[in-house]
Amino acid sequence: QQQVKQSPQSLIVQKGGISIINCAYENTAFDYFPWYQQFPGKGPALLIAIRPDVSEKKEGRFTISFNKSAKQFSLHIMDSQPGDSATYFCAASSRGSGNTGKLIFGQGTTLQVKP
Amino acid sequence: EAQVTQNPRYLITVTGKKLTVTCSQNMNHEYMSWYRQDPGLGLRQIYYSMNVEATDKGDVPEGYKVSRKEKRNFPLILESPSPNQTSLYFCASRGTGAGGGYTFGSGTRLTVV
Repeated sequence: QQQVKQSPQSLIVQKGGISIINCAYENTAFDYFPWYQQFPGKGPALLIAIRPDVSEKKEGRFTISFNKSAKQFSLHIMDSQPGDSATYFCAASSRGSGNTGKLIFGQGTTLQVKP
Repeated sequence: EAQVTQNPRYLITVTGKKLTVTCSQNMNHEYMSWYRQDPGLGLRQIYYSMNVEATDKGDVPEGYKVSRKEKRNFPLILESPSPNQTSLYFCASRGTGAGGGYTFGSGTRLTVV
C-alpha cells in the first residue's frame, strides 16, 4: 500500500518532443504528489507538485496530470530540451494532521533528450 | 543561501569501521530525513526526525543510527558498516505546514569494502 510505481525506467526523446512519465499509487491517504528532478552528482530538486483536489497543474513546460479515481499521475514535459536530460522521480506523501509527510518515491526515470 | 549541507561527499571505508555522515540545514526546518538511493529502487527513507530529540525509523533503518540534538543538525551513524550499505545517501529537510517540498543535500557516495 505504500508503494509508488513509476514507468518507464528510461526514456529517449527527440528535442522538441513530449516526454511522458507515469506513476501509480495504492494508498488513498496520499494527498501530496511531487515530482523531483535530479542531475548527475546532485541531489533531487523539487520540480512541480500537485494535490488531489485538482486534475492538472502546469508550470512552464512541465505539467502534472492527476487521475484520482485511477490513482495515477503523470509528468508531461512539452518541447523537451537537451537540458531536461536528468533522472525524474515521482513521489507521494500524506500531509494531513498527525502525519509526518514522509515521501514515498517511485523507482525513477532516466530521460535523455537528443539534440 | 538556503541549503542542506552533507559531508563528506565521497567516502570509502572498510567493513566494521564506524563512520558518521553529517547533515546541516540553515532553513530552520523542523523535519529532516535520510534517504539512500540505489539503482532501480529509487530513494528509500532510512530515518526521519520531526524536531529536536524526536526521531523515528523509516523503511530501511537496519544498520543505521541517527540523533537530533540540535534543530539544524541530523547526523547519520553507521556503527559497523557492511558492503550492503554501499550506496548514495541524501539528507533532506522541510518546514511544517502543508505546502513546500523537501530540500535535498548534494549526497554522500559511500563505498564499504
